[in-house]
Amino acid sequence: GQSLEQPSEVTAVEGAIVQINCTYQTSGFYGLSWYQQHDGGAPTFLSYNALDGLEETGRFSSFLSRSDSYGYLLLQELQMKDSASYFCASYGDDKIIFGKGTRLHILP
Amino acid sequence: ETGVTQSPTHLIKTRGQQVTLRCSSQSGHNTVSWYQQALGQGPQFIFQYYREEENGRGNFPPRFSGLQFPNYSSELNVNALELDDSALYLCASSAQGARDSPLHFGNGTRLTVT
Repeated sequence: GQSLEQPSEVTAVEGAIVQINCTYQTSGFYGLSWYQQHDGGAPTFLSYNALDGLEETGRFSSFLSRSDSYGYLLLQELQMKDSASYFCASYGDDKIIFGKGTRLHILP
Repeated sequence: ETGVTQSPTHLIKTRGQQVTLRCSSQSGHNTVSWYQQALGQGPQFIFQYYREEENGRGNFPPRFSGLQFPNYSSELNVNALELDDSALYLCASSAQGARDSPLHFGNGTRLTVT
């Protein structure tokens, strides 16, 4: 089957750096995406990795290792507004699969 | 640029009834996909439409069906509603298929089945 595994919760301090990991098992894998969802809101696209390596977009970076079936989202200079759920997602075999999400708690 | 809009925002139905949810894609997007999201879970892929044809389907029974229209708007139909169908239903549009294009989500329809 196809699945993406990520931690259910992560807690970090405002101003710090946090990493959210995602391991995947997806046939016909194309790439790994990351989405942010605030409570009561819609998921919004953050980043996409098709190739191995690091992609940087402002305070957010995402990494992919195809050989390890692993990726992560790195959030720097954490702000209280970053408190949300974060989902990794992949496309494979004509299906789009999301992980169950990581709830990020930020302490002042 | 108009984003993805979904209607209605909330809906209450009775078990056994049928429901139709609607979605207008973001301008310039020809692909739409639908998701079911239970509380505290990730979105579950229902199906995807590209140029009015279904070109991908998740593990949902046939009573979940859809349509995409020439203007790329879309409908999700669910027949014989069950209590477990209560969830947030999200629509997303993307350009040229969802393989490597970001998904742009609507705010969803909250369906409650009693």
